[in-house]
Amino acid sequence: AQSVAQPEDQVNVAEGNPLTVKCTYSVSGNPYLFWYVQYPNRGLQFLLKYITGDNLVKGSYGFEAEFNKSQTSFHLKKPSALVSDSALYFCAVRALTGGGNKLTFGTGTQLKVEL
Amino acid sequence: DVKVTQSSRYLVKRTGEKVFLECVQDMDHENMFWYRQDPGLGLRLIYFSYDVKMKEKGDIPEGYSVSREKKERFSLILESASTNQTSMYLCASSLWAQGNIQYFGAGTRLSVL
Repeated sequence: AQSVAQPEDQVNVAEGNPLTVKCTYSVSGNPYLFWYVQYPNRGLQFLLKYITGDNLVKGSYGFEAEFNKSQTSFHLKKPSALVSDSALYFCAVRALTGGGNKLTFGTGTQLKVEL
Repeated sequence: DVKVTQSSRYLVKRTGEKVFLECVQDMDHENMFWYRQDPGLGLRLIYFSYDVKMKEKGDIPEGYSVSREKKERFSLILESASTNQTSMYLCASSLWAQGNIQYFGAGTRLSVL
């Protein structure tokens, strides 16, 4: 079975500082990894994904994520946080083979960016 | 842009009622999904469908059923609503060729009284 862990319920960061939202995963074989963002009273929006290739993946709104196979991690990063980045962030995984096309989501991390 | 539309943003029902949640997507996606979102539990998959009239159980199918008679429409049915089904329900769709990126609707917040 595949699973995702987001160890932090909330991350607080000052505007202009770098931010990291952590994610670790467990899956048989090679993973597809995703990050989504949810603004209040909205559905989830896709940010970025990793399938193969470069371990640093760039996505929407200046976000990037680093895939680390040895640590089974896929942390979301941004060099300079904005107040408008405040939202709920979800990491998700699916197996490249088997498991159909189901994504397994983490429990989410609330990001709060303060002035 | 992909548009996934859920028929209601807010819904209030009584215990024991039959409840229908409707979802429509406009991008000819093969796959459609129903999740429920609860604080501290993230998103949990209820059912998904990879083709018309095809469905598969997700992680928490008990108390729910689904219907997909047309490719663009995926309905979630609560046969007899209970208070523990009070939740945010999210519909999503995806295309195999796009690497399974899922596109989400805005959600339906269901309260069962």
